[in-house]
Amino acid sequence: QKEVEQDPGPLSVPEGAIVSLNCTYSNSAFQYFMWYRQYSRKGPELLMYTYSSGNKEDGRFTAQVDKSSKYISLFIRDSQPSDSATYLCAMRGNNAGNMLTFGGGTRLMVKP
Amino acid sequence: EADIYQTPRYLVIGTGKKITLECSQTMGHDKMYWYQQDPGMELHLIHYSYGVNSTEKGDLSSESTVSRIRTEHFPLTLESARPSHTSQYLCASVGGYNSPLHFGNGTRLTVT
Repeated sequence: QKEVEQDPGPLSVPEGAIVSLNCTYSNSAFQYFMWYRQYSRKGPELLMYTYSSGNKEDGRFTAQVDKSSKYISLFIRDSQPSDSATYLCAMRGNNAGNMLTFGGGTRLMVKP
Repeated sequence: EADIYQTPRYLVIGTGKKITLECSQTMGHDKMYWYQQDPGMELHLIHYSYGVNSTEKGDLSSESTVSRIRTEHFPLTLESARPSHTSQYLCASVGGYNSPLHFGNGTRLTVT
């Protein structure tokens, strides 16, 4: 079983929809949680970076961490065609330096 | 913001050839990483470096080697390429302990 599970999609939504992307994990030592966005033929770019449980909001994006359930989410409000990309969750523990464990990514398509 | 440059962006080579994938960063980051990413799959760490003359193998077994003679430069070499090496190779770097990774745009390698 993988340490981090992420539905690969593809997830297709109409423009303006609220998108929910999720990851589950098995390692209770994970403390730092990240969401990366990767456009086709590009490297991943950091979208959200959170520590421990709770919510973090940045514009149309909200990251949510529920450590008790080992479940993290990324919500995108008022989705745009430019949000079409693969979204990767990543996480690490306190003593792991910068060693990240990645999910396999969810491919999102927002249709105009 | 970190600037990481990877060359070439795309490479098609024949089996048995020796190749070097280049990665350079301009931010003076000590920590650098090489990841392998297959379509729809999670990123796998193949090599990392915490500074000049420091290199380590990652979680994923790889027949490649790396060197770190200068802080800004972290090349990856395949002595004899095989079709199983066909993949996307992503380079990343990070500044501080709790800072997130910044990625380059990758090299897409095809070995025929």
